[in-house]
Amino acid sequence: QQQVKQSPQSLIVQKGGISIINCAYENTAFDYFPWYQQFPGKGPALLIAIRPDVSEKKEGRFTISFNKSAKQFSLHIMDSQPGDSATYFCAARGGWGGATNKLIFGTGTLLAVQP
Amino acid sequence: NAGVTQTPKFQVLKTGQSMTLQCAQDMNHEYMSWYRQDPGMGLRLIHYSVGAGITDQGEVPNGYNVSRSTTEDFPLRLLSAAPSQTSVYFCASSYGTGGAEAFFGQGTRLTVV
Repeated sequence: QQQVKQSPQSLIVQKGGISIINCAYENTAFDYFPWYQQFPGKGPALLIAIRPDVSEKKEGRFTISFNKSAKQFSLHIMDSQPGDSATYFCAARGGWGGATNKLIFGTGTLLAVQP
Repeated sequence: NAGVTQTPKFQVLKTGQSMTLQCAQDMNHEYMSWYRQDPGMGLRLIHYSVGAGITDQGEVPNGYNVSRSTTEDFPLRLLSAAPSQTSVYFCASSYGTGGAEAFFGQGTRLTVV
């Protein structure tokens, strides 16, 4: 129940295309859903985050779509650029019970944007 | 502003050796945590702390010890290193006690031979 399942494992997108990464969870105690971006040799960095009381959040070319009933959320990268090539992690944090204060990560998606 | 600083960046240990991975943050964050990153497994939470003197276990705590004597520092101790602990270790800190909006260090690449 603590898992966050992420897909696909890897993704190749042409420059200017849309990159879509999906995550699913089971634990209804999760109350915060961030996405992190990681470049080789660096630590992950927070990209964008959403709470379950909204269905969508947009920041520039990055959008999170959240479906509470399906327990799924996704990251959309519009107009993908070669500089977006990185590993992306979804995560979820519990707000109560056994998941409290624990930020649980998905397994990551390696995105390559081809010029 | 240094953020989260981890030392060392690289380390090779022999099986059975002990060592401490250091983590320090200068943002006055209450919450600190340790993760390990392995290929295909994402980031897995080892231990975390919601404030000085308070620590708790994450998903994969076995073989690791932590303590939090100050707000700034959160060292991770490997008591008897095993090859299964070969990994990249990340320390993170967050404002407040909930663990949200984590700021990560640059990581420590540990190899146990």
